[in-house]
Amino acid sequence: GAVVSQHPSWVICKSGTSVKIECRSLDFQATTMFWYRQFPKQSLMLMATSNEGSKATYEQGVEKDKFLINHASLTLSTLTVTSAHPEDSSFYICSARPGTSGSGNEQYFGPGTRLTVT
Amino acid sequence: GQNIDQPTEMTATEGAIVQINCTYQTSGFNGLFWYQQHAGEAPTFLSYNVLDGLEEKGRFSSFLSRSKGYSYLLLKELQMKDSASYLCAVRTHTGGFKTIFGAGTRLFVKA
Repeated sequence: GAVVSQHPSWVICKSGTSVKIECRSLDFQATTMFWYRQFPKQSLMLMATSNEGSKATYEQGVEKDKFLINHASLTLSTLTVTSAHPEDSSFYICSARPGTSGSGNEQYFGPGTRLTVT
Repeated sequence: GQNIDQPTEMTATEGAIVQINCTYQTSGFNGLFWYQQHAGEAPTFLSYNVLDGLEEKGRFSSFLSRSKGYSYLLLKELQMKDSASYLCAVRTHTGGFKTIFGAGTRLFVKA
């Protein structure tokens, strides 16, 4: 089956620093990847849609200057949390949909990255 | 706006059947998904419905009524390992495909 990896799986950083999270589709290409954030005991909240070769589409309320997304290839999207603060501590999950139209039925999730900002 | 509702928690007994309901209000409906998520892990795909009716897949079945904005996930022959959160998610297509998740239903299976 399709596999999506994320790196790192967990990270602890100091307040004010930046953290980059990578999301890779290992055995398929994906024009579109999605970034979600999940706080404890809550559901996934879509942050942004990452589009290969173009700018990401951010959901309302998500600061695009704080959460930088780069989708440089059909298998890699990165999320950089800039000037991280303790309230950014969360579980960040990416997902990718096989194909180049973004309309496939299945959406494969990465294992998630747990970010803790001290 | 987009809205997805599902019960917060449910409890059922091992070997029994449980139905988890989901109602939604969206524009540009393009399919409904059910995912299972164990604590601390990423969601895993269970089912997809885009047309009205019942889709069966082993112990899991999912039903959709687009006119009512309603879906349910049916789990049969419950096992302890089925204790998890079940997420109802709706895909929309308004200028691009996007999947929005409900808050999830935490299912507790007891012996």
